[in-house]
Amino acid sequence: QKEVEQDPGPLSVPEGAIVSLNCTYSNSAFQYFMWYRQYSRKGPELLMYTYSSGNKEDGRFTAQVDKSSKYISLFIRDSQPSDSATYLCAMSEGRQGAQKLVFGQGTRLTINP
Amino acid sequence: GAVVSQHPSRVICKSGTSVKIECRSLDFQATTMFWYRQFPKQSLMLMATSNEGSKATYEQGVEKDKFLINHASLTLSTLTVTSAHPEDSSFYICSASGISNQPQHFGDGTRLSIL
Repeated sequence: QKEVEQDPGPLSVPEGAIVSLNCTYSNSAFQYFMWYRQYSRKGPELLMYTYSSGNKEDGRFTAQVDKSSKYISLFIRDSQPSDSATYLCAMSEGRQGAQKLVFGQGTRLTINP
Repeated sequence: GAVVSQHPSRVICKSGTSVKIECRSLDFQATTMFWYRQFPKQSLMLMATSNEGSKATYEQGVEKDKFLINHASLTLSTLTVTSAHPEDSSFYICSASGISNQPQHFGDGTRLSIL
């Protein structure tokens, strides 16, 4: 069993739709949770990060962490064609800058105009 | 925001060649940098943790004599793929963080193709 599971998709939705991306994990020691966006042939770009359980909102993006269920989510409201990319969840046990990140497989998302 | 620069972005070379990839933190100092490898349509897999002024820590299954890492300053880490072969062809990405409780930022990666 992988430490972090993420549905690879692909996921295709119409412009303006609400997108829900999810990851589950097995390591209860994970404390920091990140979402990265990766365009083709580019490095991952940090979107959101949270510590422990709870919600965090930034513009059209909302990240949720439920440690009791070992489940994290990223919601994208009013999705735009420019949101089309691969979305990667990542987690670490300790302080995220100094600790290795464990990534999900990534979900390929396409927003159709 | 934190910027990580990686160079070169693309390398094509013959089998047996050694290739050096640079990772720089442009606006912050990084005592720790990370090197990842990504195969097509797959996620990032950590290869090694690069520590300034000390030896790198390699993940299980990564050959340290093949993937040489040097972190000589607080803003530069290098990954050298020695005697590269076609199976080493991949997308190599580095990351760094200026402060340990802040998330890592990634370079734009180096696409390595060994003929």
